[in-house]
Amino acid sequence: AQTVTQSQPEMSVQEAETVTLSCTYDTSESDYYLFWYKQPPSRQMILVIRQEAYKQQNATENRFSVNFQKAAKSFSLKISDSQLGDAAMYFCALTNSGGSNYKLTFGKGTLLTVNP
Amino acid sequence: ETGVTQTPRHLVMGMTNKKSLKCEQHLGHNAMYWYKQSAKKPLELMFVYSLEERVENNSVPSRFSPECPNSSHLFLHLHTLQPEDSALYLCASSQTGFNYGYTFGSGTRLTVV
Repeated sequence: AQTVTQSQPEMSVQEAETVTLSCTYDTSESDYYLFWYKQPPSRQMILVIRQEAYKQQNATENRFSVNFQKAAKSFSLKISDSQLGDAAMYFCALTNSGGSNYKLTFGKGTLLTVNP
Repeated sequence: ETGVTQTPRHLVMGMTNKKSLKCEQHLGHNAMYWYKQSAKKPLELMFVYSLEERVENNSVPSRFSPECPNSSHLFLHLHTLQPEDSALYLCASSQTGFNYGYTFGSGTRLTVV
C-alpha cells in the first residue's frame, strides 16, 4: 500500500518570501511519480509540479521547485517569491508507473496563507 | 470547452431525493474518477473507470451509483443520502500509462439536509 504524509496542516508566509511545504511518502515500488497539486478557493485542483522518481534532478516550474530525496522518501515543495495568489490548499500525491490505469494517493493537505 | 466540467456546482438535496452529478471531459482521456473531499479528511477515491469499465469501487455505499456511458462522460447517481454524505465531489480524468497526473473539475458542493 502507498501512503503520503503531510505533517503541516497549515503554513503561512509573507508575500515575496520563500516557504517550504513538507511531504513524505511510502511505496514498495521503485518506479513512481510524485505530484504537488494546488486547490485555491475556486476548488479546482491544479497540477503545480511533477517529479519522476527515476530522475535525480529536482523538478522546477518557475517559482516552484521540489527537493526530492528518494532514499529518505521525502518530496518537499519550495515556493519562492510568494504571491497572494499562491494562497491555497496544497496536496502531495503519489502514483506508481505503468499499468492499464493508475491511482493517485493524496496526502491530507497543507493550507498555505500568504500575508501581505 | 476544454478540460473537465462538472455540473451542478452546488446541490442541496433532501435525504429522500434522487439526483445526479455530471462530469464531462474534453481532453481525450481514457480514465475517469470520482473523489469525495470532506473537511479535514484526505481525499477519498470512490470509483475508477478505465476505458468505460469500472475498475475500482472503494467500498462505497450503494446509495452512490456511478455510470460511464462513454469515455467523455461520467455520472454519479445519488439516492437516499445521509447528512454525512455532504461534501465536495470531485471528478478527474487522465490518460492511463502516461503518468501526467489527473485533470480535475471544479467539483460539486453537495449538501444533504
